Amino acid sequence: AQRVTQPEKLLSVFKGAPVELKCNYSYSGSPELFWYVQYSRQRLQLLLRHISRESIKGFTADLNKGETSFHLKKPFAQEEDSAMYYCALKNAGGTSYGKLTFGQGTILTVHP
Amino acid sequence: EAGVAQSPRYKIIEKRQSVAFWCNPISGHATLYWYQQILGQGPKLLIQFQNNGVVDDSQLPKDRFSAERLKGVDSTLKIQPAKLEDSAVYLCASSPRRSQETQYFGPGTRLLVL
Repeated sequence: AQRVTQPEKLLSVFKGAPVELKCNYSYSGSPELFWYVQYSRQRLQLLLRHISRESIKGFTADLNKGETSFHLKKPFAQEEDSAMYYCALKNAGGTSYGKLTFGQGTILTVHP
Repeated sequence: EAGVAQSPRYKIIEKRQSVAFWCNPISGHATLYWYQQILGQGPKLLIQFQNNGVVDDSQLPKDRFSAERLKGVDSTLKIQPAKLEDSAVYLCASSPRRSQETQYFGPGTRLLVL
């Protein structure tokens, strides 16, 4: 069964400091991984996906198949980055094709 | 474009009562998902529709939960009878197709069962 683990429930940093939100996964096939973000009083939204290899709002995430990880990084955190972050894995086949399995989430707080 | 709409936003009921949630996906989106998010956990998929057909309901507690998507547009999720452990946020999401990477989420319905 597929599983996504985010080991940190809470993460606090100061503005301008680097930040890394950890995500590890378990999946038998070729994984498709995403980071979703939920800002205060807003709905859950896609932040970035590993296939695109893009940088969104200064965040990047690299898929490491050897370590089965997809950590989210930003070199200089901003106060507006404070939010709940979810790592998610997409089921790539079978009847559950399209299903997202989410981690438990990490609350990031960036202090001024 | 208008986002995914859900109603009601909040609902408080007593255990053993029934409750229904409504979702209106983004226009033209063929795939619709219902997730349950218990406090402190990530969303968990309950059911997935492709147009008006169910493609995955393996995680739906079918003895008390039911869902339908008539005409392949709006969807309702029902709980009957509710239990205390059903207290959660129920999220609806849609995407143009199952292969689409991005799922667009609604604001959720927060259910409290007393």
